[in-house]
Amino acid sequence: DTGVSQDPRHKITKRGQNVTFRCDPISEHNRLYWYRQTLGQGPEFLTYFQNEAQLEKSRLLSDRFSAERPKGSFSTLEIQRTEQGDSAMYLCASSSIGTGSLRADTQYFGPGTRLTVL
Amino acid sequence: AQSVTQLDSHVSVSEGTPVLLRCNYSSSYSPSLFWYVQHPNKGLQLLLKYTSAATLVKGINGFEAEFKKSETSFHLTKPSAHMSDAAEYFCVVSDEDTGFQKLVFGTGTRLLVSP
Repeated sequence: DTGVSQDPRHKITKRGQNVTFRCDPISEHNRLYWYRQTLGQGPEFLTYFQNEAQLEKSRLLSDRFSAERPKGSFSTLEIQRTEQGDSAMYLCASSSIGTGSLRADTQYFGPGTRLTVL
Repeated sequence: AQSVTQLDSHVSVSEGTPVLLRCNYSSSYSPSLFWYVQHPNKGLQLLLKYTSAATLVKGINGFEAEFKKSETSFHLTKPSAHMSDAAEYFCVVSDEDTGFQKLVFGTGTRLLVSP
């Protein structure tokens, strides 16, 4: 399977602990996105990378959150000092800059990491 | 800012009957619109997308959607529901003001299909 993969699929942690999630995009994709989905809601944008550069961060991404994409390949999302409100599904997506317009871009999503903070 | 409103949180149909999932959008320019489907324990899958070409867009698994600018709507339809269509469906608009596709999702419509 050459789709977007995420690890782990599930994470249960205690409040105050740090957690890190990994996303492996489709290999030729240079754009990578993180979204967060809480129960009963649609996903919300968190951050965007083009290659290794983090170009956009949502106001939802507090100082406790940090994302990296070293060498423009996989990405990690770290949450420090987790809070119960951080419990959600964290989704990663990737896309490529095609030869067409921006509108030709299609984001492909991974299965997500479900975080539960006790 | 771009946004979408999904008018129904749940839709119930019988297998073999038509499906209609409603979506209205708000955009300051001609939008890019998408429908994604989310099955339990699976990732979001793109059903179809509208990018200002044909107003009637055909997607996978027999789904299609029609862009109606006068009604600011992008409703998803399928002539005959199958049990495997039961899932959560998201209407999505792309916010491209920042130079990339920031997807803005609706709250979702859960499609229930009964035998």
